[in-house]
Amino acid sequence: DAEITQSPRHKITETGRQVTLACHQTWNHNNMFWYRQDLGHGLRLIHYSYGVQDTNKGEVSDGYSVSRSNTEDLPLTLESAASSQTSVYFCASSAGTGFHEQYFGPGTRLTVT
Amino acid sequence: AQSVTQPDIHITVSEGASLELRCNYSYGATPYLFWYVQSPGQGLQLLLKYFSGDTLVQGIKGFEAEFKRSQSSFNLRKPSVHWSDAAEYFCAVGARQAGTALIFGKGTTLSVSS
Repeated sequence: DAEITQSPRHKITETGRQVTLACHQTWNHNNMFWYRQDLGHGLRLIHYSYGVQDTNKGEVSDGYSVSRSNTEDLPLTLESAASSQTSVYFCASSAGTGFHEQYFGPGTRLTVT
Repeated sequence: AQSVTQPDIHITVSEGASLELRCNYSYGATPYLFWYVQSPGQGLQLLLKYFSGDTLVQGIKGFEAEFKRSQSSFNLRKPSVHWSDAAEYFCAVGARQAGTALIFGKGTTLSVSS
């Protein structure tokens, strides 16, 4: 069955370190998204991609970057982790033709100490 | 500005009782509308969606939602709640363009009492 996976599921890192969160989908979806979930804020969009070599900033993109070198993967990089980036991160994907619902990965819980 | 409001942060319902979770949106045009459910420690699962047509949509797990354009609402309902329905529920809207990211409400936590 097609799926979307995230790794690691839990990560503890120190302030200032670079961290990369992986997202891999086997749906062959063109569109991929990164959200962060914080208490009282719901899910907020960080970055998104409509296809290979395409990336776009979302609502809360400062301090984050993404790259899309193939259809299956959209890694999220925290250039210099900050305590404010402690959160749960969700990756999602959707098909590219017309509008389709998004399918979510299981999430990565990141703690920055 | 585009936004989604879920007025109730936390709701407690007795098992077997009916449920209605409210969702109001602000959007420039008729959006696509979704309800997702998140169980503790899990990702988001799509319950149902509205794209067009019949304004009453049926979803999984016995849930339904009604789109009311005049009220800019998309409330989620279930006639009889089960203990396993305890979770967090998110309403979301999306533009009618391919691949557009969703805008989420802040969520409503549902507790089910026995």
